[in-house]
Amino acid sequence: NAGVTQTPKFRVLKTGQSMTLLCAQDMNHEYMYWYRQDPGMGLRLIHYSVGEGTTAKGEVPDGYNVSRLKKQNFLLGLESAAPSQTSVYFCASSRSPGASGRGGPDTQYFGPGTRLTVL
Amino acid sequence: AQSVTQLDSHVSVSEGTPVLLRCNYSSSYSPSLFWYVQHPNKGLQLLLKYTSAATLVKGINGFEAEFKKSETSFHLTKPSAHMSDAAEYFCVVTLFSGGYNKLIFGAGTRLAVHP
Repeated sequence: NAGVTQTPKFRVLKTGQSMTLLCAQDMNHEYMYWYRQDPGMGLRLIHYSVGEGTTAKGEVPDGYNVSRLKKQNFLLGLESAAPSQTSVYFCASSRSPGASGRGGPDTQYFGPGTRLTVL
Repeated sequence: AQSVTQLDSHVSVSEGTPVLLRCNYSSSYSPSLFWYVQHPNKGLQLLLKYTSAATLVKGINGFEAEFKKSETSFHLTKPSAHMSDAAEYFCVVTLFSGGYNKLIFGAGTRLAVHP
């Protein structure tokens, strides 16, 4: 099993450009998450999804949109990139309470990250 | 409210000496606690997890952590550091909110291991 994968691994954008980050998981997890990591701040939740077709805002949702059209995929979009969105982005997944699958419902499995620079 | 404080932003040890990374937490109920490790330019890997079954939790790569409710601590230890342990370590507490288990991260401790 690949676990959680993210594409692309690196990207450089100019201010105002748009892009989509793709996250895929093969663990049959219901829940998926997008985080950003900035120096000295740990990880902060951008958006999350508790199932196919659902999304919800996390701590820092402004400037981002997400979609969960398939259970295994969670997309993060930047419509008009800004330098403040320069960061490392991590996707994670976990199973829901009562569901079968890898890990406990409170255990999140992370992808390798996408390093985004906005000039 | 749930929160996590990692008491050291940087720790430096010599190879073969013990490692201690300190974490204090604040929680209004019995929490789930985790340690994750992040090697340079890599994603986060789960080291170990505490969920009230046993106060001493053993993880991967020889790490362990002890949950001390009276001290609200969950310090990470390893008897003998290896060069490959050099990484950033995150202490995490969970909060069930909004229909899911929210992870609350500490700011991280960067571990350096010297020959």
